[in-house]
Parts: sequence; structure tokens; C-alpha cells
Amino acid sequence: DAKTTQPTSMDCAEGRAANLPCNHSTISGNEYVYWYRQIHSQGPQYIIHGLKNNETNEMASLIITEDRKSSTLILPHATLRDTAVYYCIVRVYNAGNMLTFGGGTRLMVKP
Amino acid sequence: NAGVTQTPKFQVLKTGQSMTLQCAQDMNHNSMYWYRQDPGMGLRLIYYSASEGTTDKGEVPNGYNVSRLNKREFSLRLESAAPSQTSVYFCASSADRGPNEKLFFGSGTQLSVL
Repeated sequence: DAKTTQPTSMDCAEGRAANLPCNHSTISGNEYVYWYRQIHSQGPQYIIHGLKNNETNEMASLIITEDRKSSTLILPHATLRDTAVYYCIVRVYNAGNMLTFGGGTRLMVKP
Repeated sequence: NAGVTQTPKFQVLKTGQSMTLQCAQDMNHNSMYWYRQDPGMGLRLIYYSASEGTTDKGEVPNGYNVSRLNKREFSLRLESAAPSQTSVYFCASSADRGPNEKLFFGSGTQLSVL
């Protein structure tokens, strides 16, 4: 699976959009981009995933660049409850390939 | 909505003791997973079960055994606990393997081995 690079930490003001970047410059054509988050002391929570098109759901939007070498997770109106560690994961699906969680970005939403 | 339930939430063991971590899901999911998370680190996969009746090793299986008791339950056993196994353990499940797989996690078991 392609390696991902994320900033260690970020701050965001409550009510503003939080834009979390992820670099995956070695991504291959059949690798998907997944985002999960982990609120303190809880299990990770699925947010969104995509292959090449931008995706949006009730939680967030995922913007993938045309060359697919980077992506951005957007939380449109961050709240204090969005304070968490956000994991960007790139994976090609096959029977023996599992999700691997790296260091992630610690997002702090401030009042 | 229960989702994925893990028991116990906290456990303290002495070196050499054994114990079993329990995990159950009520979403009729086929696949189940055990991860561990050391302080300040990401999650590492210990074992997984792609379907009832099958189990496979993950990234860090040494020192652990698993049992997929039925479709709902997937247990993790430490036969002889070591201080290096002090960690938070998360169980997860998913409906189906594939690129659209979404994992649902339990709230974790915090294990300390003295």
C-alpha cells in the first residue's frame, strides 16, 4: 500500500471549515483513500472513502487531486466534538490486505 | 444500538496470567478484527476473521490466539501475558470485505500487564 504523510497536528476555530491534508504521492491506480477518526479513548470511526472522484456524505467531503497524489478531508463546520485524531489510509483491496492505521493528524477545534 | 461490544473495559494482569477478551457484534457482519493500540501510536492488526469459521494472522499475532465462536463473537486470548502486551485492544467488524468495506469499532479494552 502507498505510504501517506499527514501533519502531526492542526488547529481549527469552531464553526469554521477544517481542511485536513494527506499526501500519498506513490498511490497506484487501484488504491482507495480512506479516512477514519478517533476521538479520545474511543474506537476509530469511519468517515469517508474514495478512489478518484470527490465524495461527500453527512460527515465530510473528500477532495482527491486529479493526479491522485494528495487528498483533503473537509469538515465544513467544525465543532468541539470534531476534536480527534484523523487517519488517512491508502489501500488496495485484496483478500489479505487490511486497513493499517498510521500516526494521523491530531485536530484540535477551539472555541 | 449496541454495535460492537467489548468486555471487559479494563483489566490488570500479572505477568504469566492468561485471559480472554470478548467481542460481540449485533450487525450480522461477516468479518471481525482485533487491533491493538500502544500509547501515542496508530492501530496494529493482531488477527482477523474474514468469515465465520476462518481466522488469519495480522501484523502482530505473536502471543495471541483467537476464536471465531460464531458469526457474532470473536474472542482474543492471551495465554501468558507479558508487559509488552500492555495496550488498548479494539475489536472491529465489517459487513463485507472489499474496497467499500467500512469498519465499525468497539470502545476498547485497556489492558495493563504488571
